[in-house]
Order: sequence, then structure tokens, then C-alpha cells
Amino acid sequence: EVQLVESGGGLVKPGGSLRLSCAASGLTFSHAWMIWVRQAPGKGLEWVGRIKSDTDGGTTDYAAPVRGRFTISRDDSKNTLYLQMNSLKTEDTAVYYCHFTSHAPVFIDYWGQGALVTVSS
Amino acid sequence: DIVMIQSPDSLAVSLGERATINCKSTQSVFYNTDNKNYLAWYQQKPGQPPKLLLYWASTRESGVPDRFSGSGSGTDFTLTISSLQAEDVAVYYCQQYYTTQWTFGQGTKLEI
Repeated sequence: EVQLVESGGGLVKPGGSLRLSCAASGLTFSHAWMIWVRQAPGKGLEWVGRIKSDTDGGTTDYAAPVRGRFTISRDDSKNTLYLQMNSLKTEDTAVYYCHFTSHAPVFIDYWGQGALVTVSS
Repeated sequence: DIVMIQSPDSLAVSLGERATINCKSTQSVFYNTDNKNYLAWYQQKPGQPPKLLLYWASTRESGVPDRFSGSGSGTDFTLTISSLQAEDVAVYYCQQYYTTQWTFGQGTKLEI
């Protein structure tokens, strides 16, 4: 069974930094393209970004609101995904979900329970 | 980026009745090379992560009741719940995974 467990959330001041982690188990993590999705309180889902597997180049893509401030990385030796968030703004307050989905050969889809990040002075 | 627009924003349907949610994308999410629409539907209940209902626009995820169905192609899609049950109260999202930056619709809140 695939499990994704986020950690590292908390309260941070505007302009500050925070790093989220997502510990993955039950999947071949090194082959997985991993995703971060966030949800502001009472709002909808927002795709944050994705990192490809190292075998597929290990490249990252980001949504426009976080590009240049957030960095997704991975440590395949620890089966862990990271989200480094810098220059945080109040509008970055959200639950951040770790998401794994694969579309081939079969479609699979797993989510963590989320980590709450609150940006407030 | 592709913008996904859902309608309505909220919907109240009686138990046993049909619920229909629409999703429109600002550009086609249909890939000619594999003949697939790169669109998924999710259900989210309070305090829970999203749950995948449908992918490739109309393929039901394992374990999802057959009262849930998806249709459409290109830029216009529909999620239909044929006979609403109490446990279907949730927010529903469409999502495109056609482009490099995936995007969600704003969500539709479904109530009894």
C-alpha cells in the first residue's frame, strides 16, 4: 500500500522560509514523478509543482504564483520529497499535499493527508 | 496555462436525483497521438485529501460506484451522478494533465 506522509508544516512570518517533507513508502520512489498541491483555507485545489524521476531528467515545473520562490527536490535514497518555500507570503497559507500519480501502464493516484502552512505576522 | 472553469459553483440536488457538473477548458486537452482526453475528476470531502473518481475523462477508478460517469471531449466535459446518495455530498474538481503545468477547476460544491 502506498503511503505519503507530509511533515514540516507550521507558522512562519511573511518573508520567511519553510521546508516540507513527504516520506513515501510502498512505491518505487526513484521512478516516481512527484507532485505538490495546495489548498488555501476554504478554497480550491491549486497545483504547485512537480519533479520528474532522475531517470526522466529530474526536472521540475512550477505554477506561476510560486515560480522563483519554491523549489521541489527529492532524495531517492530516503524515499523523500521536499518543498523548499522561500519569501513566503500570507497568500501561501494552505494545506500542502504530497501527490503521486502515474498514468501508465495503469492509472494510479495517491495523496498524503497534508501539512498546514500558516504565513502570518 | 490552461484555465479550467466549472459550472455551477454550487449545486443542490435531491436524494435519488441526477447531478450534473460541467467543466470547460480554455484549450483542448485531447491528444491525437493516443486518442485520450487528459482530464480527471476528483471528489473531496471536508478534512480529507482529494479522491480520484475518473480519469481519461470517462474511465472510472477502481471502487468508484457506477452512478458516477464522465463524458465529453476536447474542451467540454461533464461529471454525472445518476442517482445522488447522501455520501456524495462533497466538492468536485476537474483537473487537466495535458500540459506541463496541471490545473484544477475552481470546484463545485454538491449538497442535498
